[in-house]
Amino acid sequence: GAVVSQHPSWVICKSGTSVKIECRSLDFQATTMFWYRQFPKQSLMLMATSNEGSKATYEQGVEKDKFLINHASLTLSTLTVTSAHPEDSSFYICSASRGGALNSGANVLTFGAGSRLTVL
Amino acid sequence: SQQGEEDPQALSIQEGENATMNCSYKTSINNLQWYRQNSGRGLVHLILIRSNEREKHSGRLRVTLDTSKKSSSLLITASRAADTASYFCASLRNQGGKLIFGQGTELSVKP
Repeated sequence: GAVVSQHPSWVICKSGTSVKIECRSLDFQATTMFWYRQFPKQSLMLMATSNEGSKATYEQGVEKDKFLINHASLTLSTLTVTSAHPEDSSFYICSASRGGALNSGANVLTFGAGSRLTVL
Repeated sequence: SQQGEEDPQALSIQEGENATMNCSYKTSINNLQWYRQNSGRGLVHLILIRSNEREKHSGRLRVTLDTSKKSSSLLITASRAADTASYFCASLRNQGGKLIFGQGTELSVKP
């Protein structure tokens, strides 16, 4: 089955530092990956769509200079939280579609286990 | 706001009872999916229903979709303590191919 690995699963950092989170599709190629953010007891908010070989597409209100996304290969997308502050503390989850574009009708997302970021 | 709505926000039932969760969405969709999330973990896909389908079954799960009302429901029959988790609906919008999640229902099944 499709497996998405996310690393690290948790990270604690000091305010002002940058943190990189990796998302890998282990047994399939993913031209598109999605990054979500989830606050405690809340739903997942789509932050951006990561496209292999091109710039990510960010949702309204998400700062692209704050949340840098790189999708350099068909199996790896990275999210870097730059100059992190306590308000960036959250659960970040990536996902990928095994079947390519989601709007082909039957594709579902495979989610990573998430990365919990705590900024002190 | 991205989000659709789900109700109830929290549901507590006894093992063996049925659990029903409802979801509403905002735009025209290609399909609607239900996911499960255990506390602090990633999401697991449960079931997908296409926009031209009205009902779908998978094991103890039954999903309905009413596109005229832009709503869906998830029924879990004969619930078990292991069903305790948060359940999210997610609508795949026709425009942009994005999966947008509802607010979620926190289900607690007591043994």
